[in-house]
Amino acid sequence: DTGVSQNPRHKITKRGQNVTFRCDPISEHNRLYWYRQTLGQGPEFLTYFQNEAQLEKSRLLSDRFSAERPKGSFSTLEIQRTEQGDSAMYLCASSFTTGVSNQPQHFGDGTRLSIL
Amino acid sequence: AQSVAQPEDQVNVAEGNPLTVKCTYSVSGNPYLFWYVQYPNRGLQFLLKYITGDNLVKGSYGFEAEFNKSQTSFHLKKPSALVSDSALYFCAVNTPLRGAAGNKLTFGGGTRVLVKP
Repeated sequence: DTGVSQNPRHKITKRGQNVTFRCDPISEHNRLYWYRQTLGQGPEFLTYFQNEAQLEKSRLLSDRFSAERPKGSFSTLEIQRTEQGDSAMYLCASSFTTGVSNQPQHFGDGTRLSIL
Repeated sequence: AQSVAQPEDQVNVAEGNPLTVKCTYSVSGNPYLFWYVQYPNRGLQFLLKYITGDNLVKGSYGFEAEFNKSQTSFHLKKPSALVSDSALYFCAVNTPLRGAAGNKLTFGGGTRVLVKP
């Protein structure tokens, strides 16, 4: 168990550019989540995958955001035409859950995005 | 809607003294509650969870939490705090998703703990 891995750890980019983040969940975890955390706040849910299917998207996820999880393994989160308000820590989490959803989610160390 | 509240932005405690971080919840149905800790520039680390059973839940690093249904609280406790416990602590509740089987975590605003030597 090597934990949830996220790359890059930091990303600095100019407003209007596109960025892509990658998340490698704990192997064999069937559920994968993306959250966004702004400074001093708790994480907020963005989207959720069960295996390769994206089953839920938050209203926070505008049309500029897209996430994929091909083959139910790693996931990518892309932000197009970045805006100042996109500056945040983007956290990925995974869990293995069947039936009742009471297993803890395990988080990666996040990707900190700074928009210039 | 499921929610949790952490009424204290910061808790200061002397090393060796008991530590308590407060959390109250508002849920429909049975709550699944979690505590996580976050160190600077790191992700969240799972400490413990309450699903059902004993109201006193033991977790990692000597932490425990007490579930109180009548007070809708789930306070995190440690009998003797260490300087290394200084971090940001989050309470969270499992929240069903709108249109899909599965859940998300809904977090409180966090409590910063500062343990002084």
